[in-house]
Amino acid sequence: DGGITQSPKYLFRKEGQNVTLSCEQNLNHDAMYWYRQDPGQGLRLIYYSQIVNDFQKGDIAEGYSVSREKKESFPLTVTSAQKNPTAFYLCASRGQFSNQPQHFGDGTRLSIL
Amino acid sequence: ELKVEQNPLFLSMQEGKNYTIYCNYSTTSDRLYWYRQDPGKSLESLFVLLSNGAVKQEGRLMASLDTKARLSTLHITAAVHDLSATYFCAVDEYSGGGADGLTFGKGTHLIIQP
Repeated sequence: DGGITQSPKYLFRKEGQNVTLSCEQNLNHDAMYWYRQDPGQGLRLIYYSQIVNDFQKGDIAEGYSVSREKKESFPLTVTSAQKNPTAFYLCASRGQFSNQPQHFGDGTRLSIL
Repeated sequence: ELKVEQNPLFLSMQEGKNYTIYCNYSTTSDRLYWYRQDPGKSLESLFVLLSNGAVKQEGRLMASLDTKARLSTLHITAAVHDLSATYFCAVDEYSGGGADGLTFGKGTHLIIQP
């Protein structure tokens, strides 16, 4: 079945550590996105990529980095510069037609140790 | 900066009743999406509204879009417990280069009681 796979489901970060969240899709979608969700809040856009080897900052990119070396993969690194990383992180993708919704993965819950 | 406001943010209602969730947004857009999220889970797409006057229905849920008023509504008819969830609207500020990501409202936490 086609879909978006995020891993790990739960992740713990120590002070000063960088951690990487994985997002893989087999939907053949060009565009991929990373969102952050805080408790009781909506989603906020961190980074997005419309094609391989290209990506743009979203509304809250500081303290995060991404890469897009393959169409299927869009990993997110939460760096030590992100002082408040505890949140639910959701990866999404969308096909080329604007009448399609974004499809979301199951998310990664990141906490600080 | 695009702003998306939902109201109410919390709604407790009884089974069998009707209610409407409102979504206002601050810029011209004709692409609006409704999603459902169950506790601890990901987002499930409910409706895609792509033009002024668009109306979509699925079971007890109906969504509409008025781009001139910059308003979308999600109407619940004869609510049942299974519809308890958080509902988000999201707006796509489409640019010539492609979709730049969605701007979400804060969500409406809906509890339906027997």
